[in-house]
Amino acid sequence: KAGVTQTPRYLIKTRGQQVTLSCSPISGHRSVSWYQQTPGQGLQFLFEYFSETQRNKGNFPGRFSGRQFSNSRSEMNVSTLELGDSALYLCASSLGWGDSNQPQHFGDGTRLSIL
Amino acid sequence: QKEVEQNSGPLSVPEGAIASLNCTYSDRVSQSFFWYRQYSGKSPELIMSIYSNGDKEDGRFTAQLNKASQYVSLLIRDSQPSDSATYLCAVRGSSYKLIFGSGTRLLVRP
Repeated sequence: KAGVTQTPRYLIKTRGQQVTLSCSPISGHRSVSWYQQTPGQGLQFLFEYFSETQRNKGNFPGRFSGRQFSNSRSEMNVSTLELGDSALYLCASSLGWGDSNQPQHFGDGTRLSIL
Repeated sequence: QKEVEQNSGPLSVPEGAIASLNCTYSDRVSQSFFWYRQYSGKSPELIMSIYSNGDKEDGRFTAQLNKASQYVSLLIRDSQPSDSATYLCAVRGSSYKLIFGSGTRLLVRP
């Protein structure tokens, strides 16, 4: 069974540009969450999607947005990139939403570097 | 006060010893608790989950939960150098968000 797939694995952008990251969840998983991981801040929750609807949102500015498609695949977009957006962006999937016992399984992440 | 707190470490133990990793959380109605292991340069990997008070054992790993004290721990028996990694505690609280601690770095000395 394939795991969570994130593309691309590495990305280099310059300040002011925008970027779109993609995540395909484990087959059968319908909930997708996104996290930002930096050495200083640890793993920070961005948002969670289920059934194409955003169910939860973290404390990030509006430059960070996401969406989920009918096949449960998800994308996140960051506009007007800043140097501080350099981080590892992780996607995690789980079976559903509303059952707190459902664990999340992570993809390998996209490492974004802003020059 | 952070929602999920862990000692950043490093926690250094000799090979074969028991490593004890601790985590406290602030949301009293938190319902589910997870431990993830993250090797350097890799993504977090789920190793244990626990939902009710008491102990849960899986191989060399034991998770312990005390909801009254808002405390969850992970014990690793017979620690191996391959256990050297950062261990992340994650708590799902009333908002249903999965909130992670900053992680404890474990170093197992051969």
